[in-house]
Amino acid sequence: QKEVEQNSGPLSVPEGAIASLNCTYSDRGSQSFFWYRQYSGKSPELIMFIYSNGDKEDGRFTAQLNKASQYVSLLIRDSQPSDSATYLCAVTSGNEKLTFGTGTRLTIIP
Amino acid sequence: GAVVSQHPSRVICKSGTSVKIECRSLDFQATTMFWYRQFPKKSLMLMATSNEGSKATYEQGVEKDKFLINHASLTLSTLTVTSAHPEDSSFYICSATQGDNEQFFGPGTRLTVL
Repeated sequence: QKEVEQNSGPLSVPEGAIASLNCTYSDRGSQSFFWYRQYSGKSPELIMFIYSNGDKEDGRFTAQLNKASQYVSLLIRDSQPSDSATYLCAVTSGNEKLTFGTGTRLTIIP
Repeated sequence: GAVVSQHPSRVICKSGTSVKIECRSLDFQATTMFWYRQFPKKSLMLMATSNEGSKATYEQGVEKDKFLINHASLTLSTLTVTSAHPEDSSFYICSATQGDNEQFFGPGTRLTVL
């Protein structure tokens, strides 16, 4: 059974600070890693994907992947109240099927 | 580009009736479409994978006779919840892919079975 684990939170971060979201996965064969943001009552929207070990930056967002530790994280710099949402980690293992974590609820405190 | 629509966005039905949900890729041809279900405060659970012109592949524990999937064209897949019961009340989300790893999600359909 492929598993993706996330701390459900809630994670509270002051506005302007860095929010750090973590995810671990059980399948060593996982190849692609995604972070989605989901607002309440809405469907997920893709923030970032990462395939290779290391960091990938896109604006205020940085994804970090460590395949040896089976760990992927998302950093959000200069957090804004609009970043308050549930963040879903998802992985694929050579096919197109996404396995989602349970999500971390993030609250940015003004 | 890469817009996926779902219809209806919200449906309320009586127990025992069937409900059809449509998923359309508006500006691209989707090689594969996926159907997910999400219960409150839970993550998305994949129900089935659908390819145009072939039978859907259902995930373990998902009843194929209850959740009928028809992928009639490269831009349309439908999910029919047959003989719906209150425990089928959920948020149903489809996604579509062009063959690479990125899935584009529809806005979701909230089903409430009374």
